[in-house]
Amino acid sequence: DVKVTQSSRYLVKRTGEKVFLECVQDMDHENMFWYRQDPGLGLRLIYFSYDVKMKEKGDIPEGYSVSREKKERFSLILESASTNQTSMYLCASSLPTTGLGGYTFGSGTRLTVV
Amino acid sequence: LAKTTQPISMDSYEGQEVNITCSHNNIATNDYITWYQQFPSQGPRFIIQGYKTKVTNEVASLFIPADRKSSTLSLPRVSLSDTAVYYCLVGDIRDSNYQLIWGAGTKLIIKP
Repeated sequence: DVKVTQSSRYLVKRTGEKVFLECVQDMDHENMFWYRQDPGLGLRLIYFSYDVKMKEKGDIPEGYSVSREKKERFSLILESASTNQTSMYLCASSLPTTGLGGYTFGSGTRLTVV
Repeated sequence: LAKTTQPISMDSYEGQEVNITCSHNNIATNDYITWYQQFPSQGPRFIIQGYKTKVTNEVASLFIPADRKSSTLSLPRVSLSDTAVYYCLVGDIRDSNYQLIWGAGTKLIIKP
C-alpha cells in the first residue's frame, strides 16, 4: 500500500521554538506539498517542491521554510513557532501531473503552539 | 484557476444512493476533476478522477456532462462510515503552477 508518512500525529511546542515536521513518501513521486488546514479556511498551500532541492512558495509561506534533500523526504520548518501556527499540517505527494491519480496525503500532524 | 461550488452539507440514510454535485463553470480544456474524502483528523483521500463522461471504480461513480461545467459524485448504498467531508478539485498542477484551489467541501452526514 502506497504511503505518505508524517513523523508525528500530535505535537505541542512552545512559542519561539524551532519546529521540524517530517514527511516521507514511498511512491517515487516527483512532487511534494505542505498544506495547513484550519476550520473555516480549508486547505492552504504553504510550500511545494517539484524536484529534489527545488522549492516554491505557496499561498502562505511566511514563517515557514522547507527542505528537500532527497526525493522521498520533504521537511517543513517553523523557524520560530508562534501561536497562530497552531494548526493541522498535511503533507501530500503526486506525480508530475495530478491528472494521474491526484494527491496522496499523509495522516496529518496536529501542532499546538503554547 | 477553476473555482468550484458545492453544497455546504447534505444528509442521507444508510443504504441510500447519494449524489453530490460540483459546479465549475470556468473549467479549462486540460483540467481534470478529482474528488477527495476526508474524515476528521485525517488527510484527504483520493476517491475518483475523471475528464469527461462517466468513470466508475469500486467505491464511487463520477458523472461529467458534455460541457464539463459540473460533475456529480455518486456514492451507492452509503453506510455510516461514509460520513465525511467531500471535496471537488478541478485543474491540474502542471497547468496551474502547482496550485489548486480547495473549497470548503460538502459535509455529508449519514444517519441510521
